[in-house]
Amino acid sequence: EADIYQTPRYLVIGTGKKITLECSQTMGHDKMYWYQQDPGMELHLIHYSYGVNSTEKGDLSSESTVSRIRTEHFPLTLESARPSHTSQYLCASRGQNSYNEQFFGPGTRLTVL
Amino acid sequence: GENVEQHPSTLSVQEGDSAVIKCTYSDSASNYFPWYKQELGKRPQLIIDIRSNVGEKKDQRIAVTLNKTAKHFSLHITETQPEDSAVYFCAASRGGSYIPTFGRGTSLIVHP
Repeated sequence: EADIYQTPRYLVIGTGKKITLECSQTMGHDKMYWYQQDPGMELHLIHYSYGVNSTEKGDLSSESTVSRIRTEHFPLTLESARPSHTSQYLCASRGQNSYNEQFFGPGTRLTVL
Repeated sequence: GENVEQHPSTLSVQEGDSAVIKCTYSDSASNYFPWYKQELGKRPQLIIDIRSNVGEKKDQRIAVTLNKTAKHFSLHITETQPEDSAVYFCAASRGGSYIPTFGRGTSLIVHP
């Protein structure tokens, strides 16, 4: 079934650890996004990609990095996690037409102790 | 860049009442306005959208209206039900741009 997947769904780690949040989509979309969202709150765009080898930073300053080596895969990496990174991270994708809706993944709930 | 204001931040209604959420945008070139619903603990999902060449769009109990002159658009939910309780986000983007600007969200609570 075409969908967008995120792993892990929940992650609790200690300060200073390096982590990678995985996002994959089987929808054939070229546009992909990462948002940071505290539960039920505003969506903050932190990274986006228009296609393979294309990555851009969003509006929210973030200490994370992303890569886009394959169309379907858009991982987000935190080199050194801090308690301020505790939040929910939502991955999204969108099709070719600029009027297309964004499809969101189920999210990763990150807690940094 | 685009700026989207969304009001109210919280809306509490009785089951069966109507609910209206309003958004204003700043970029007159914006021409696509989606609405997303996010239930507690779940992902945002598109519920309805409208393009700038249309003034109103309806899908069963939900409708969206757009006033391009005033640069505002609204979500209307009639005969609200407890399952309508969620956070609703409006967004705006211009043709050719793949980066929507989201409003801050409205928490709708429908009391049985």
